[in-house]
Order: sequence, then C-alpha cells, then structure tokens
Amino acid sequence: DGGITQSPKYLFRKEGQNVTLSCEQNLNHDAMYWYRQDPGQGLRLIYYSQIVNDFQKGDIAEGYSVSREKKESFPLTVTSAQKNPTAFYLCASSIGSRRSYNEQFFGPGTRLTVL
Amino acid sequence: GESVGLHLPTLSVQEGDNSIINCAYSNSASDYFIWYKQESGKGPQFIIDIRSNMDKRQGQRVTVLLNKTVKHLSLQIAATQPGDSAVYFCAVSGGYQKVTFGTGTKLQVIP
Repeated sequence: DGGITQSPKYLFRKEGQNVTLSCEQNLNHDAMYWYRQDPGQGLRLIYYSQIVNDFQKGDIAEGYSVSREKKESFPLTVTSAQKNPTAFYLCASSIGSRRSYNEQFFGPGTRLTVL
Repeated sequence: GESVGLHLPTLSVQEGDNSIINCAYSNSASDYFIWYKQESGKGPQFIIDIRSNMDKRQGQRVTVLLNKTVKHLSLQIAATQPGDSAVYFCAVSGGYQKVTFGTGTKLQVIP
C-alpha cells in the first residue's frame, strides 16, 4: 500500500537535546512538507521541499532543520534552539505539479513532548 | 500576511441533517480554497478544493460555496453521518506550494 509513514508516534525528549523525526513516502511524490499543530490551532508550515536536494523555509522555520537527500525521505530535526518544541508534527507530500499542492497526503503524525 | 478563520470552533449536528461549516479569509488574491478533514489522532485528509473563478463545486455528499465579495467560504455536508465527526479545516493557496490553514471547526454528530 502506498502512503506516508512517520516514526515514532510518540517521542519524549529532554530539554536541550536535538531530536530527529522521520518521514518516508512511497507515493513517488516530488513535494514534501513539515507542519506543526498546537492544541486548538491550525497547521503551520515549518519547511517544504519541491525536489530532491532543495528545500525552503516555511512560516516558522526557526529552531528546525531538514534535509532531502532522497525523494522518499524528508527528516525534520528539532534543535535545542526551538523554544517551544512540544507539539504534534505532521509530514505531508504532494505530486508537485502546479495545482497538486492543494491535495497533500498526510502521515499519522508524531507527538513530541519535551520534559 | 494571509489569515484564515473559521466562524465556530464547534458545531453539533443531528445525524441525517445537513451541516454547514463556514470560513472567512483575508487575501483576495488567493487562487484556490481547500477543505480538509482531520479525525482524532490522525493526519488531515483532503476533501475538496475550488478555484477562485468558481462559486460552487460539488463532490460526494459535499458542496463548497465561495463568495469572493465577502471573502467567505463554506462546506456543506449532506445527510451528516457519525463518520463525519472530525475537525474541518479550510485553507487557501495563492503561491506555488504554499497553503495556509485555518484554525478548524470540530463537527460533532449527535446520533
């Protein structure tokens, strides 16, 4: 079955530590995205990538970093510089054509808690 | 910047009735208007989108209406079912690869 997987589902981290969230897709999509969702809030864009080896900052990129070395993978690192990292993180992908970014396919999310 | 807001944080509807979820946006230059559904503990799922040159679009049991004069978007769900219980987000896009999401309306279906 095609889809997006995120691991782990729940992640706990001590304050001051970096942590990397995994996102893998086998949909052959060119574009991938990372969003952050806080309780009662909409989704806010952290980073996105339209093609391998290229990515752009979203609205709230500070304290985060990404890489796109393979088409299938778009890992997100939450660094110690991120002031409020506790949140629900969602990865998504889309085909990559002009209109297709409207229809993004989301993974199940990773809930990160900083202790 | 772009802002997108839903009128009600929670909407309760009797099973079998029609549901209407409303959304307001600020940027008249938006190209597309989109609705997503998020069930508890899951990622959002695309429902339907509408281009700015249209005022109505229908899907399976859903209709989206766009009123550009008052910058208002609505999602109508016909014959609401328990499986429709979820948080619904409206979103807008106006630039390549950039989608801005609203805060969401929680739809509760009463059996």
